[in-house]
Amino acid sequence: GENVEQHPSTLSVQEGDSAVIKCTYSDSASNYFPWYKQELGKGPQLIIDIRSNVGEKKDQRIAVTLNKTAKHFSLHITETQPEDSAVYFCAASIWNKLVFGAGTILRVKS
Amino acid sequence: EADIYQTPRYLVIGTGKKITLECSQTMGHDKMYWYQQDPGMELHLIHYSYGVNSTEKGDLSSESTVSRIRTEHFPLTLESARPSHTSQYLCASTPRTSGNNEQFFGPGTRLTVL
Repeated sequence: GENVEQHPSTLSVQEGDSAVIKCTYSDSASNYFPWYKQELGKGPQLIIDIRSNVGEKKDQRIAVTLNKTAKHFSLHITETQPEDSAVYFCAASIWNKLVFGAGTILRVKS
Repeated sequence: EADIYQTPRYLVIGTGKKITLECSQTMGHDKMYWYQQDPGMELHLIHYSYGVNSTEKGDLSSESTVSRIRTEHFPLTLESARPSHTSQYLCASTPRTSGNNEQFFGPGTRLTVL
C-alpha cells in the first residue's frame, strides 16, 4: 500500500524566515496531495493541495511543489509569522483514501 | 469550509463502558471517515463510508464499529472501552462533487479510558 514519509519532524524558524517541509510517497498511482494544518485542540484544516498533473501551486505565503518522477512534494511557507506555529501534515490520495505523513511541528519564534 | 461536528469534545470514562462518539455534517457529503490520532500525532484511518448503508474498515485495526443510516450522521461505537482506546478521534467528510479526495475534519473527540 501507499506509504508517506514526512521530514523534518520538528522545525524551528525565526519570524520572517521561510519554512520547508518535505514528503515522499511510494505509490505512483497517487494523484492528489493535500496539506493540512492542525492547531492545538482542533482538527486538521486543509491549507493547500495539488493534483498530480500540476508541478506547483501558490496561495499567498504558502506554496506546494510536486515532483512526480521522484515521488516527492514539498510545502513552502514564506515570511513566517507566529500564527503559522502548528502541526503540518502532508497526505497522498489513492483509491479514495488519504494516507498521511507523520506530521511536522513548526515553531515560529518571534 | 464544511460544517462537521463531533460530540463530545472530551470524554473520560471507566474501563468496560460502552461509548458512542457522534459525528455529523450538514453539507450532504457522501464520504465520511474516522481517524485515530495517537500521541505521536500520526493519523490512522479506522473506518470509512461511501454513503448510506456503506461501511468499511480502514488501515488500522480497531475494535470500534460504525454505522451509516443517514447521510449526515456517522457514529462510532466502542462496546467495551479499554485504556488502550485512549486517543484522539477525528471525523472527516468529502463532498460528492470532489474530483479529488479533499477531506474536511471535525474538531475531534479526546477520549480517556481509565
